[in-house]
Amino acid sequence: DAGVIQSPRHEVTEMGQEVTLRCKPISGHNSLFWYRQTMMRGLELLIYFNNNVPIDDSGMPEDRFSAKMPNASFSTLKIQPSEPRDSAVYFCASSSSGRYSYEQYFGPGTRLTVT
Amino acid sequence: GNSVTQMEGPVTLSEEAFLTINCTYTATGYPSLFWYVQYPGEGLQLLLKATKADDKGSNKGFEATYRKETTSFHLEKGSVQVSDSAVYFCALSPSGGYQKVTFGTGTKLQVIP
Repeated sequence: DAGVIQSPRHEVTEMGQEVTLRCKPISGHNSLFWYRQTMMRGLELLIYFNNNVPIDDSGMPEDRFSAKMPNASFSTLKIQPSEPRDSAVYFCASSSSGRYSYEQYFGPGTRLTVT
Repeated sequence: GNSVTQMEGPVTLSEEAFLTINCTYTATGYPSLFWYVQYPGEGLQLLLKATKADDKGSNKGFEATYRKETTSFHLEKGSVQVSDSAVYFCALSPSGGYQKVTFGTGTKLQVIP
């Protein structure tokens, strides 16, 4: 199994530019999560999809952030326009619904730097 | 709401020392409990889990026991290695329904030779 795949691994962009982060979850998993990790705020859940439907987007910081999951094997997180305070590592994670244990499998992350 | 509290780091230990990282939680019902580990430059990966009271999760020499009476899930290892240097996250997932996982703030462990 290839695990959760994220691209790009590193992104450097200028303030005001659009940024698109991509994620391919593990095949067969029906839940997908986007997280942001910074030194100041730790790990924050941005949005959660179940069966391609957004269930909880209460963690999305503001309207500049949007996420889509057009099918079971692909999701995007878009920031438009980007700002320096968006600099962070963005993780995608997936899991399969089970009765008890909901362990999540994380991708390697995308390190975003906005200058 | 649900919450996870874990000890502040960093924790610095010599190789072969005993490790304990404390974790307590607040949740209704019977959540599942997890320890995740994050090595430098990588994503989080599941280290161990426990799904009901008195369960002991174990992996790679690490152990944690689900203690409902004290709402705790402390991580232990009898003899740490330099390769265990990482950030450790305690987490919980509520029973049933929405799968949102609540993570602790992470504890950085540094093991010196």
